[in-house]
Amino acid sequence: KNEVEQSPQNLTAQEGEFITINCSYSVGISALHWLQQHPGGGIVSLFMLSSGKKKHGRLIATINIQEKHSSLHITASHPRDSAVYICAVRGDSNYQLIWGAGTKLIIKP
Amino acid sequence: EPEVTQTPSHQVTQMGQEVILRCVPISNHLYFYWYRQILGQKVEFLVSFYNNEISEKSEIFDDQFSVERPDGSNFTLKIRSTKLEDSAMYFCASNKELAYGYTFGSGTRLTVV
Repeated sequence: KNEVEQSPQNLTAQEGEFITINCSYSVGISALHWLQQHPGGGIVSLFMLSSGKKKHGRLIATINIQEKHSSLHITASHPRDSAVYICAVRGDSNYQLIWGAGTKLIIKP
Repeated sequence: EPEVTQTPSHQVTQMGQEVILRCVPISNHLYFYWYRQILGQKVEFLVSFYNNEISEKSEIFDDQFSVERPDGSNFTLKIRSTKLEDSAMYFCASNKELAYGYTFGSGTRLTVV
């Protein structure tokens, strides 16, 4: 059983569309991370959440601890947003991150 | 902006050989990690390191693997006798505290032939 599930696996959208990527988890967590992986493989940390909502530019991340669910939103999407977006959680008493499988996002001009 | 630096970016090695993957974490970070990603699969945790010792390790991190922070700046992952299935991208990461976000290196692509 996967402890971190993401949906959709793949998402193709037109430039300008509002994008939502979902993450559900089944373990108790101390924090949830959203990360971006570029085609070359590099990983960039976007957000770390333990409650509520965070915004950075056109990116918004929300988390509902009771429902064990988080969403990553991209407003006014752009082709440069094309990447794999990964949700990862750190458990209550762990150092490690448990990773989702990622959502491959393609934004077409 | 401070970076986590990994070397080499690519390494090809013969099965059974030892490899050392090197990382220079951000200087004021206290927690260090190795993760790996086999092509087409999820990122997997290998090991975390804090206060000069392993704080957590996964089932993958068996006796073939070891980590060191020999000089206060480098953080190395050694694989003693590489297997074909060790072929993956290996990422080093660090953070200042557990409650902080992570900074990842750009990865070392290891190919075992």
